[in-house]
Amino acid sequence: ILNVEQSPQSLHVQEGDSTNFTCSFPSSNFYALHWYRWETAKSPEALFVMTLNGDEKKKGRISATLNTKEGYSYLYIKGSQPEDSATYLCAFESGQYNNNDMRFGAGTRLTVKP
Amino acid sequence: DSGVTQTPKHLITATGQRVTLRCSPRSGDLSVYWYQQSLDQGLQFLIQYYNGEERAKGNILERFSAQQFPDLHSELNLSSLELGDSALYFCASSFGVGSSGYNEQFFGPGTRLTVL
Repeated sequence: ILNVEQSPQSLHVQEGDSTNFTCSFPSSNFYALHWYRWETAKSPEALFVMTLNGDEKKKGRISATLNTKEGYSYLYIKGSQPEDSATYLCAFESGQYNNNDMRFGAGTRLTVKP
Repeated sequence: DSGVTQTPKHLITATGQRVTLRCSPRSGDLSVYWYQQSLDQGLQFLIQYYNGEERAKGNILERFSAQQFPDLHSELNLSSLELGDSALYFCASSFGVGSSGYNEQFFGPGTRLTVL
């Protein structure tokens, strides 16, 4: 994988459903993996920055895991609420300390229906 | 409110012109990042500065340049503008360089540039 790919592109769930998305990234030259939450008409908001293989991070009902060897990260939302509706972006940061490059996926658009 | 400010909020200009976008990072943050979000390309990383020095370069065109000043605010200069440069330009800041659990990026509200 040369680019950052996110799946699914969009997701519609009912309130209370749990859901998860995938971010796939190049498995070489890894530096960090970022997850952002981006609501319409607002700016992206950082959720997690993950740097170590096997990392698991949690913020409320949202959690993420990281596998740098196989090049993927999962974002989980437990008990989705309408306010979780947003686009979830992941960004792969690669390269050396002095010249990191950030590549964003196209995002997964989540809609949670009441 | 992330604490990152960007001016102007909207900018309308003509092809061939030059514009300057300004960003003030959160208090205490030393790194500034610039991103371009256009309809057909999603969010693209342009360039990063840390404490006045260029740190990383992404998909930044030669017609674009940026700098970070001693007071840590940053400006993105776009010249010889083309219709395709119309986009939302975000600035983000973080405390340090690279990324760790302590260096999450905080995004400003963006500047919407329209080139006619």
